[in-house]
Amino acid sequence: RKEVEQDPGPFNVPEGATVAFNCTYSNSASQSFFWYRQDCRKEPKLLMSVYSSGNEDGRFTAQLNRASQYISLLIRDSKLSDSATYLCVVNRRSNTGKLIFGQGTTLQVKP
Amino acid sequence: NAGVTQTPKFRVLKTGQSMTLLCAQDMNHEYMYWYRQDPGMGLRLIHYSVGEGTTAKGEVPDGYNVSRLKKQNFLLGLESAAPSQTSVYFCASGGYFGPGTRLTVT
Repeated sequence: RKEVEQDPGPFNVPEGATVAFNCTYSNSASQSFFWYRQDCRKEPKLLMSVYSSGNEDGRFTAQLNRASQYISLLIRDSKLSDSATYLCVVNRRSNTGKLIFGQGTTLQVKP
Repeated sequence: NAGVTQTPKFRVLKTGQSMTLLCAQDMNHEYMYWYRQDPGMGLRLIHYSVGEGTTAKGEVPDGYNVSRLKKQNFLLGLESAAPSQTSVYFCASGGYFGPGTRLTVT
């Protein structure tokens, strides 16, 4: 079983739609959580950190459920420019600091 | 402030050749990482470093070596390149990625 699992999609949605991605992680010692965005043939870029209390950045909302070991990303009012692959990332910052990536979920927003 | 830079951006090697990929960061980060990304495979951690003079293996370390002699630089070496090492290589520092190196081994 992979340490971080995501539904690869693709998710095809119309402009203006609300879409949600989920991610599960297997290691309960995980301490930090992030969502990254990766455009085709480009480097991943940090979209937002994920906190237990939930956090919002404009149209994006991230939530963490430690009990269920589950992370989510909600995108409201989807734009064409949101089309990308979204990567769930977990950090076991015990003594290693390794960033563990999920395989990514592909989003395609259509006009 | 350049962030994370990688050199070279592209490279073609013949099987058996060697090369070194350079990653440099100017953010004073302790943690640096080397990943490879293949189509449909996601990012896989090759090696990482938690500080100057330290390195550790990731999930796919075979065929690669690394060094972190200076805090700002993290080098990835291929001693004898194989076609299976054709990939895009990303360096990360803290949570920030470099632009990648596209390597083809023929």
